[in-house]
Amino acid sequence: QVQLQESGPGLVKPSETLSLTCAVSGGSLSSSYWSWIRQPAGKGLEWIGRIYTSGSTNYNPSLKSRVTMSIDTSKNHFSLKLTSVTAADTAVYYCARVEVGATTGSHFAYWGQGILVTVSS
Amino acid sequence: EPVLTQSPGSLSLSPGERATLSCRASQSAGSTYLAWYQQKPGQAPRLLIYGASRRATGIPDRFSGSGSGTDFTLTISSLEPEDFAVYYCQQYGYSMYTFGQGTNLEIK
Repeated sequence: QVQLQESGPGLVKPSETLSLTCAVSGGSLSSSYWSWIRQPAGKGLEWIGRIYTSGSTNYNPSLKSRVTMSIDTSKNHFSLKLTSVTAADTAVYYCARVEVGATTGSHFAYWGQGILVTVSS
Repeated sequence: EPVLTQSPGSLSLSPGERATLSCRASQSAGSTYLAWYQQKPGQAPRLLIYGASRRATGIPDRFSGSGSGTDFTLTISSLEPEDFAVYYCQQYGYSMYTFGQGTNLEIK
């Protein structure tokens, strides 16, 4: 069973960079897509981006200018950087494994427990 | 950007009743390209249904999904106490993932 665990600072100052890592256990990063999703308190889910094992990425157009994702298969983890954060970036951040099927589309089969990141001075 | 609209926004039912949740896509990303998730307070979302109608591993058969194109439905045949939660639909299309705004299923 694949397990994911987010880690990183829980508090980031405005205008600084949010950096999170997702450690994957129970499976390798190989031949899969991996994603970050966030959820402000009391609100819905927002997809941030995805990265493939090869390092190729897709980002949400609304965040693209501020997002960078990377992957380290030797350490079995992938990461998120979000620059120039504001209070609007305060949310629970989830990492997830993406599954893709020719007839089923693409969805998030495994999720981390989430990490609350607060943007405040 | 594709938009997913869920209805109703909130639904009050009693255990044992049948729940019907709807998700409508502004554009079709694929006839069966839709997933449903359940989220309880303080927990990550859990995949229930993918490919519009396929149950994820370990999901009870009281959960079923149907629909194609732009109109999809999640049905819970007989509500158990643990089913009261928020439900989200999700689609992948046009190089991005989109979630509906959620349906809050609460105990009447």
